[in-house]
This record gives sequence, structure tokens and C-alpha cells, in this order.
Amino acid sequence: DVKVTQSSRYLVKRTGEKVFLECVQDMDHENMFWYRQDPGLGLRLIYFSYDVKMKEKGDIPEGYSVSREKKERFSLILESASTNQTSMYLCASSPFSNQPQHFGDGTRLSIL
Amino acid sequence: AQKITQTQPGMFVQEKEAVTLDCTYDTSDQSYGLFWYKQPSSGEMIFLIYQGSYDEQNATEGRYSLNFQKARKSANLVISASQLGDSAMYFCAMREGHVNDYKLSFGAGTTVTVRA
Repeated sequence: DVKVTQSSRYLVKRTGEKVFLECVQDMDHENMFWYRQDPGLGLRLIYFSYDVKMKEKGDIPEGYSVSREKKERFSLILESASTNQTSMYLCASSPFSNQPQHFGDGTRLSIL
Repeated sequence: AQKITQTQPGMFVQEKEAVTLDCTYDTSDQSYGLFWYKQPSSGEMIFLIYQGSYDEQNATEGRYSLNFQKARKSANLVISASQLGDSAMYFCAMREGHVNDYKLSFGAGTTVTVRA
């Protein structure tokens, strides 16, 4: 069965901290994605990657960076967390095809 | 400009009745794909159904069907015989036809509440 695993379900951090959100997939998918979900806005793409060490900006990359050192792992980094980054973060993966993206369970991140 | 528009923030439906969730999209690509996802209160995103822009038949998957009207750029989801477990948020999403670009654009979502 396909599996996308996000490291934490809930996370509380302080403003100014460097925050790492980890995502691992076991499906050998080429593509991986990070979204944030806010009420009334749906899911917005932060960054995505279609290969190891490759990354592309999504619609809202400001304040974030990513790392993909291995095919199965895609990390989202908040360089200096701010309160407006309090949100639900969702990781997804997909192969090079019209197959649907598979999502992790999400991380609810609160920045105090 | 919004690529995916879902105009219904919330809907109530009686158990065993059908419900239609609206989705309109905006793209200049000829090749694109449309997806519907379900998100229960637990938070996980569950893929429901897919429609390719060149598919001649409307997609169906069990109790889910997609009413695809290409000229109107709409891809409405129909859930037949609603069940209490269908209560969730539903998202419409689009993948445009750029080579090696598999990202999705999502709508704001529609919350469906099924009443017994």
C-alpha cells in the first residue's frame, strides 16, 4: 500500500526558530510537493521537486526552503518561523504520469 | 487569477440523496487533468476521481461521478446515495499540461454535511 509519512502530526514552535518538517514516501515517486492549507484558501503549493536535488518554487515560497537529498525524502524548512506560518502543512508525492498525488496525514504547525 | 473556483463553501444533504459539488476551472492548455479529493475531519486527503481533458466519457468511480462540461470549463462532482461518512471537505484540483510539471492547483473547497 502506498505511504507518505510526515514526521509530526502536531508541532509547536516559537517565532524565530528554524523549523524542519520531514516527509518520506515509499512508492519510488519522482515528484514530491509541499502545500499549506488555510481555511477558505484551499491548498497552496509552497515548493515541489521532480528529482533528487531539484526544487522548484510554487505559489508561496517566501519564508520557506526545501531539501531533497534522497528520492524518498523531501524536507520543508522554515528558516525563521513567524506567526503567519501557523498552518496545516501537507506533503504529497506522485509519479511522472496522470496518476493522483498521494498525501501524508499533515502537520498542524503552531508558531507562538 | 483563480485557476479553480468552488463557489459553495458549505452544503447540507440528506442521507441517501445525491449532491452535486461545483467546480469551474481556468486554463488555456488543451491537455489537462482534473482531480477531486475528500478530506475528512481527521485531515488526510483521499483521492476520489480523475478526468482527463481528452477523455470522452465522464469519469465514474463507485458512487462518485464527474459531470465534465469542457466548453463551460466545469467539472462538477456528483455523489449519489449520500452516506454519513461522506461528511467532509471536498477539493477540486487541476493539473495543467506542461511537460514534467505535475503540480496541482486547488480550489478553496466545499464542506459537505450529511444529515441522518
